[in-house]
Amino acid sequence: NAGVMQNPRHLVRRRGQEARLRCSPMKGHSHVYWYRQLPEEGLKFMVYLQKENIIDESGMPKERFSAEFPKEGPSILRIQQVVRGDSAAYFCASSPGRDGNYEQYFGPGTRLTVT
Amino acid sequence: AQSVTQPDIHITVSEGASLELRCNYSYGATPYLFWYVQSPGQGLQLLLKYFSGDTLVQGIKGFEAEFKRSQSSFNLRKPSVHWSDAAEYFCAVGARSGYSTLTFGKGTMLLVSP
Repeated sequence: NAGVMQNPRHLVRRRGQEARLRCSPMKGHSHVYWYRQLPEEGLKFMVYLQKENIIDESGMPKERFSAEFPKEGPSILRIQQVVRGDSAAYFCASSPGRDGNYEQYFGPGTRLTVT
Repeated sequence: AQSVTQPDIHITVSEGASLELRCNYSYGATPYLFWYVQSPGQGLQLLLKYFSGDTLVQGIKGFEAEFKRSQSSFNLRKPSVHWSDAAEYFCAVGARSGYSTLTFGKGTMLLVSP
């Protein structure tokens, strides 16, 4: 039973380019969370999605960032016109249910470097 | 707003010695409580969680944590540390109602000396 998968594991982008980060949740999980980890910081919540719905994007920057979780396929976190401050590790987590009684399972992360 | 404080950024412990990592939280009500471990370049692995019941929680790899409501604390302990325990440890809280995004502390880096 595969865990949460993220790809790519490492991504290098020049300033102004677009970054697309993918997350495939565990089998049977329909709830996906994205977190960002800046250097020497803990993880910060960005967005929570269910299939075809964004439930809470209160942690996501208002500009340049978007997320989706289509009916088929992985969840995508998209960062347009990247800047150096976007360099971070981005983690995806999935859970089988909505409330906090369900454990979140984390993927290995995508480490984005903006040059 | 909820917050999690891990007051120790780094801790060095000798192999075989006991370990306690501190975690304090600020929350409107008792949240769900978690400890995660992150090895360099890796994702997060859940060590243990507190939902309800016995306030002393046992986890994987010989770790345990004690929830103390009066102190708003959830400290992680291990009686004898192994070199393989060297990693970064994160305390996190989640809401009991509605959906539960996690709020993390900044982490404590554990170094194990021979």
